[in-house]
Amino acid sequence: GQQLNQSPQSMFIQEGEDVSMNCTSSSIFNTWLWYKQDPGEGPVLLIALYKAGELTSNGRLTAQFGITRKDSFLNISASIPSDVGIYFCAGRGTGNQFYFGTGTSLTVIP
Amino acid sequence: KAGVTQTPRYLIKTRGQQVTLSCSPISGHRSVSWYQQTPGQGLQFLFEYFSETQRNKGNFPGRFSGRQFSNSRSEMNVSTLELGDSALYLCASSLAGGPSNEQFFGPGTRLTVL
Repeated sequence: GQQLNQSPQSMFIQEGEDVSMNCTSSSIFNTWLWYKQDPGEGPVLLIALYKAGELTSNGRLTAQFGITRKDSFLNISASIPSDVGIYFCAGRGTGNQFYFGTGTSLTVIP
Repeated sequence: KAGVTQTPRYLIKTRGQQVTLSCSPISGHRSVSWYQQTPGQGLQFLFEYFSETQRNKGNFPGRFSGRQFSNSRSEMNVSTLELGDSALYLCASSLAGGPSNEQFFGPGTRLTVL
């Protein structure tokens, strides 16, 4: 099935630094979701976006729905060790199926 | 409100056997989707059920099948298991599968095929 292009694939950062990651698609989407997954667990929903240009925050996390509707961005400010995990984007067009990014593995060095 | 639950959490089978995985969605959610997650392929969509009907299907062989019951609980069955079926199987539920409905995931079932 279709997969979204998510980058970077992995990040190693110092505690306290800000993090940015993004997802791009060849198709227009109406919904963008961002998830975090810890080892051995299911993904946990972080932020949901429904309108082009929408900017939504959840604590230190901020996500944006790109104007072209073909991309989305996730920023994490002042990273802490518990931010470690794999972050996934997911997008949905006019159908009901979600398509997932390949994931960004985040490592925070104390 | 309880989250999505999946049973069992871990399963070990041998090639050729079959397996049934279960998913109970969040109360009130009517859409259940199943995904296969492997390190090499990421999250791959298997199928989605809504009101006991399969609404969408991914590109998996017929050995993978599912069903949904009237209480929205869903089961996924894999027959004639192959080594490559080893994966984390995730189910996700949403309220009605409409444009503004997010998917919430369960913890997954880790299937190992020997």
